[in-house]
Amino acid sequence: QSVLTQPPSVSAAPGQRVTISCTGSSSNIGSIYDVHWYQQLPGTAPKLLIYGNNNRPSGVPGRFSGSKSGTSASLAITGLQPEDEAEYYCQSYDGSLSGSVFGGGTKLTVL
Amino acid sequence: QVQLVESGGGVVQPGRSLRLSCEASGFPFSNSAMHWVRQTPGKGLEWVAVMAYDGSKKQYADSLKGRFTIYRDNSKNTLYLQMNSLRTEDTAVFYCAKDLGISMIAYAFHIWGQGTMVTVSA
Repeated sequence: QSVLTQPPSVSAAPGQRVTISCTGSSSNIGSIYDVHWYQQLPGTAPKLLIYGNNNRPSGVPGRFSGSKSGTSASLAITGLQPEDEAEYYCQSYDGSLSGSVFGGGTKLTVL
Repeated sequence: QVQLVESGGGVVQPGRSLRLSCEASGFPFSNSAMHWVRQTPGKGLEWVAVMAYDGSKKQYADSLKGRFTIYRDNSKNTLYLQMNSLRTEDTAVFYCAKDLGISMIAYAFHIWGQGTMVTVSA
């Protein structure tokens, strides 16, 4: 059971918008710690998608955005494309555990 | 280009030890904190450990209970993970990852290696 909670799956049609939630607690997301998001395509290593709650590394399309509020965070993807079909993970730091924690992952299906 | 290459994975019996290596290139390794992250087959990601750029700080996931040791050799641009008393539940793909921070730990995984598979089985 993961410290951060994500929905197991989401789906949407090409061109549409989808959001993936990530719920934590007062010792991680609800504290001073940033949330980061990763995309994992089948058979590959994860890739940093969003860092520091809402920042995109170089090369990540502007269709991807992140936000954080209270003990939750969200990843939004607009203008869905078939190549966005992947597993998405949120991650933060937990002050009580003194270590990084992940969400369980969300499988995005582009219909 | 920036690259991390893990090695040392394989099949090992329960109770035995294994050492993983991660060779870095294309960035100033000695300025970067480095992590190990593992992924059990068909399941999610689990952070394992982090070491500061100069080795001054190490942190481990509570679940490891002292069985794993992270260390680095900056002269060789290499990160290591010594795993002792291995259990079947340690079976996973182990990734090394470069921290996003420079000379500090940001606890964000910027660059990932391709991973090395560790199978613990009798």
